[in-house]
Amino acid sequence: EPEVTQTPSHQVTQMGQEVILRCVPISNHLYFYWYRQILGQKVEFLVSFYNNEISEKSEIFDDQFSVERPDGSNFTLKIRSTKLEDSAMYFCASSAQRGANTGELFFGEGSRLTVL
Amino acid sequence: AQTVTQSQPEMSVQEAETVTLSCTYDTSENNYYLFWYKQPPSRQMILVIRQEAYKQQNATENRFSVNFQKAAKSFSLKISDSQLGDTAMYFCAFMKRGGSEKLVFGKGTKLTVNP
Repeated sequence: EPEVTQTPSHQVTQMGQEVILRCVPISNHLYFYWYRQILGQKVEFLVSFYNNEISEKSEIFDDQFSVERPDGSNFTLKIRSTKLEDSAMYFCASSAQRGANTGELFFGEGSRLTVL
Repeated sequence: AQTVTQSQPEMSVQEAETVTLSCTYDTSENNYYLFWYKQPPSRQMILVIRQEAYKQQNATENRFSVNFQKAAKSFSLKISDSQLGDTAMYFCAFMKRGGSEKLVFGKGTKLTVNP
């Protein structure tokens, strides 16, 4: 069964360093998302992406964050200069239709980011 | 803004028994979806069941069913004949229909099914 894959599963980085989290969405999906979950807190929406541009972003998704679909298969989240509070599990998701039409998103297993 | 509240951080149930997970939400929207997602240990979150707010009939998927009370803004999940593989975090989530793309999640309920 096709699934969303994420790498790395765990990354430890120093504060101020750049981090890139990678995702391979399901191949025929067109809508892509990043969510994050800080330990003990809710899963929070970061950004949605369609047709090579951001369609929606939350207030968390500030100038330190960017997303890209560099080669038609990968979908990346870049954090330019990590802060301690960026430590979280980051989930990538994709859907075949616009999420608001079906609500069914397919999630990856997550990438745990630890900022020291 | 929408909020989703799951008041049970952890629950446990014996295999083959029935368990109900609670979820309440707050919204001023009239058209929306509600979901239960399941996340087994070290695995992806997967959709368990979806309810469209304009449908009065409660959604069911095999052993999983919901009790959707729109006026009370309540959306509980009932798991019948619990199986060991049901052990997981369960997240209740809300999505406005049309417009916004984002899922708004509750904090989750950790369900353990005991043999």
